[in-house]
Amino acid sequence: DAEITQSPRHKITETGRQVTLACHQTWNHNNMFWYRQDLGHGLRLIHYSYGVQDTNKGEVSDGYSVSRSNTEDLPLTLESAASSQTSVYFCASAEIGGPKSYEQYFGPGTRLTVT
Amino acid sequence: GQQVMQIPQYQHVQEGEDFTTYCNSSTTLSNIQWYKQRPGGHPVFLIQLVKSGEVKKQKRLTFQFGEAKKNSSLHITATQTTDVGTYFCAPRAGTALIFGKGTTLSVSS
Repeated sequence: DAEITQSPRHKITETGRQVTLACHQTWNHNNMFWYRQDLGHGLRLIHYSYGVQDTNKGEVSDGYSVSRSNTEDLPLTLESAASSQTSVYFCASAEIGGPKSYEQYFGPGTRLTVT
Repeated sequence: GQQVMQIPQYQHVQEGEDFTTYCNSSTTLSNIQWYKQRPGGHPVFLIQLVKSGEVKKQKRLTFQFGEAKKNSSLHITATQTTDVGTYFCAPRAGTALIFGKGTTLSVSS
């Protein structure tokens, strides 16, 4: 069965370190998204991609970057981790044009703690 | 940009009672999606509404899109403990979604 996975599921890092969170989907979806979820803020869009080599900034992109070198993966990099980036991070993917057009499928999430 | 307000933020009901969450926007929405997130889980797609006045049902769940396309609602009839979680509305902007802050439902048996 197709799926979307994230790794690691839990990560503790120190302030100032570079951190990369992995997202891998086997749905063959062109569109992929990264969100962060914090109490009181719901889900906020960080970056998204419409396809290979395409990336776009979301609502809260400062301090984050993504790259899309293939259809399956959209890694999220925190250039220099800050305590304010302690959060739960969700990756999602969606197809456009099929019967489930625009429905987003979410990964299980990565809980990141920056100390 | 598009922003939505969800009310209430929290709701506690007794099992068997009905529950409604509302999603309101100051601007006209082209479409809206609803997601459910169980405690400790990830958001799961429930429905997408695109037409003015649209009503869709999924078993005990009824979704509505307002005539002016500025509001939407999710109504659950006769809640069960399995309905526990946070319900998010999310208008779509292009292919990206702008999530509301959600309504967290708790159910006691």
